[in-house]
Amino acid sequence: EVQLVESGGGLVKPGGSLRLSCAASGFTFSSYSMNWVRQAPGKGLEWVSSISSSSSYIYYADSVKGRFTISRDNAKNSLYLQMNSLRAEDTAVYYCAREQRADYWGQGTLVTVSS
Amino acid sequence: QLVLTQSPSASASLGASVKLTCTLSSGHSSYAIAWHQQQPEKGPRYLMKLNSDGSHSKGDGIPDRFSGSSSGAERYLTISSLQSEDEADYYCQTWGTGPWVFGGGTKLTVL
Repeated sequence: EVQLVESGGGLVKPGGSLRLSCAASGFTFSSYSMNWVRQAPGKGLEWVSSISSSSSYIYYADSVKGRFTISRDNAKNSLYLQMNSLRAEDTAVYYCAREQRADYWGQGTLVTVSS
Repeated sequence: QLVLTQSPSASASLGASVKLTCTLSSGHSSYAIAWHQQQPEKGPRYLMKLNSDGSHSKGDGIPDRFSGSSSGAERYLTISSLQSEDEADYYCQTWGTGPWVFGGGTKLTVL
């Protein structure tokens, strides 16, 4: 059974940092591209970042470029999102999702940026 | 620019059928999309990938009541025999080389 489990969310002050993790199981993690998607309270889904299976290709939404860094460790079956210089508008539930068509999603982790 | 357009809301009666639409922006009518369902207070769930020729591949455990079709730049999600648990937000999503795009979502109300 494919499982994606996010962790690392929490309350952080504006300008602060957080590192999100996504633990994958039930499939060959190293064969799939992975993605982060977020959803602000009461809003729709917003793509954040994607990373190819071997980390050769990485993409970011303009809203997070220069502040967020996506990475993965195929040996640990894990995906990461390092978030720096956080702003109030980054407050959202962050989901990891597998592959371009997002055929599996995690349950999400809440990031709240507030003073 | 790649854009997906969805109607903000739709409604249909219990047991009836409903057809939701996702429209690709001009010049992108050959793109495949994915449909996702988000029930209240839950994370998104993948329903299917829908190609421009109407062929589709559904996710694990998705009932036969959910089907997809295409016409030009339009991508459709049809839900038949509506059940109360189908009341949810439905998002279409596509991808190119790099960035993903989501539609704004359609909130489906089952009457």
